[in-house]
Amino acid sequence: RKEVEQDPGPFNVPEGATVAFNCTYSNSASQSFFWYRQDCRKEPKLLMSVYSSGNEDGRFTAQLNRASQYISLLIRDSKLSDSATYLCVVNGDSSYKLIFGSGTRLLVRP
Amino acid sequence: GAVVSQHPSWVICKSGTSVKIECRSLDFQATTMFWYRQFPKQSLMLMATSNEGSKATYEQGVEKDKFLINHASLTLSTLTVTSAHPEDSSFYICSARDQFWAGDLNEQFFGPGTRLTVL
Repeated sequence: RKEVEQDPGPFNVPEGATVAFNCTYSNSASQSFFWYRQDCRKEPKLLMSVYSSGNEDGRFTAQLNRASQYISLLIRDSKLSDSATYLCVVNGDSSYKLIFGSGTRLLVRP
Repeated sequence: GAVVSQHPSWVICKSGTSVKIECRSLDFQATTMFWYRQFPKQSLMLMATSNEGSKATYEQGVEKDKFLINHASLTLSTLTVTSAHPEDSSFYICSARDQFWAGDLNEQFFGPGTRLTVL
């Protein structure tokens, strides 16, 4: 089983749609959770951290369910500029390592 | 704040040559830096953790004699791909951890990456 699993997509949605991405992780001791965004041929950029109580940043909402070891990202009112690959990232068991999921690709069409 | 640079941004070399990639933290001191590799349509895979003043810790399956890492200062880590071959062609990305970061201490700041093509 992969340490961090994501649906690879692609998710193809029209502008204005709401889309949700899911992620599961295997290490119950993980303490830090992030969503990163990666554009084609670029480095990953932090979209948001994910907190136990859930958190929102504009059109983006992240949720964490520790019992199920499940993380989600909701994007409301999708924009064309949201087209990218979204990476679910969890800290590893030591040395501040991060474990990356394989990413979910989002395509927002006009 | 928390800016990381990488140099070069891309490099093309002949098979058998060595290539050095630099990773710098520009506005903070990074006691720990990380080197990742990303093949097309795949996610980032951690190659090694680089600690200032000590030997790097390599992930399973990564040859330490092929991928030489030096972290001689708090703002610079280098990755040298020795005797590069076409299968080493990939996107190499470094990241750094700011031990004094006010946010999540597990957060890493990424460089823009280096695209290596070995002919």
